[in-house]
Amino acid sequence: AQSVTQPDIHITVSEGASLELRCNYSYGATPYLFWYVQSPGQGLQLLLKYFSGDTLVQGIKGFEAEFKRSQSSFNLRKPSVHWSDAAEYFCAVGESNSGYALNFGKGTSLLVTP
Amino acid sequence: DSGVTQTPKHLITATGQRVTLRCSPRSGDLSVYWYQQSLDQGLQFLIQYYNGEERAKGNILERFSAQQFPDLHSELNLSSLELGDSALYFCASSVATGRLPYEQYFGPGTRLTVT
Repeated sequence: AQSVTQPDIHITVSEGASLELRCNYSYGATPYLFWYVQSPGQGLQLLLKYFSGDTLVQGIKGFEAEFKRSQSSFNLRKPSVHWSDAAEYFCAVGESNSGYALNFGKGTSLLVTP
Repeated sequence: DSGVTQTPKHLITATGQRVTLRCSPRSGDLSVYWYQQSLDQGLQFLIQYYNGEERAKGNILERFSAQQFPDLHSELNLSSLELGDSALYFCASSVATGRLPYEQYFGPGTRLTVT
């Protein structure tokens, strides 16, 4: 089965600083990768996805992610973080042998300081 | 707002009881996925339905079952509830048939507390 690892449980950044959240996947073929964000008490919102093509994908809210096959990574980045970005971020891979249901990482909790 | 609705928002019940969680997908989406989010297990896929038929199964307990009705809404039935079933249950909808990947749109979730 495919798996996703988010090495950082918590990350703290200052408002205005850049952000990179790490995601590593385990899969033999081309993975179908997603980043979702969950604000406290809310559902999950899709930030961006990668299926194929350009390895740098743009998402909503100024986020982007880069697929690097050689490193089995799909890291999420934002050049300047806003206080409203504080949330839980989940990387996920679509499992081809289960209807492309999402297999999620454990999540990274982002704290933004003034 | 994703367009996916879930009811109820909160549910408190006792061990041994049975509850039903309801999900209405986005207009036009034929697939519904159910996920469970708990502190110890994280987000786990339970089951997928496509146009009324079960398409894929994940880590769903035998005490749990689901169905999708002709109007495409779905219900997740949880029976013989245990304390460990306390979690946030999400439904997601997609245009996906299950044979190709598509993005999923999540509802706000139902928080189940078993006492």
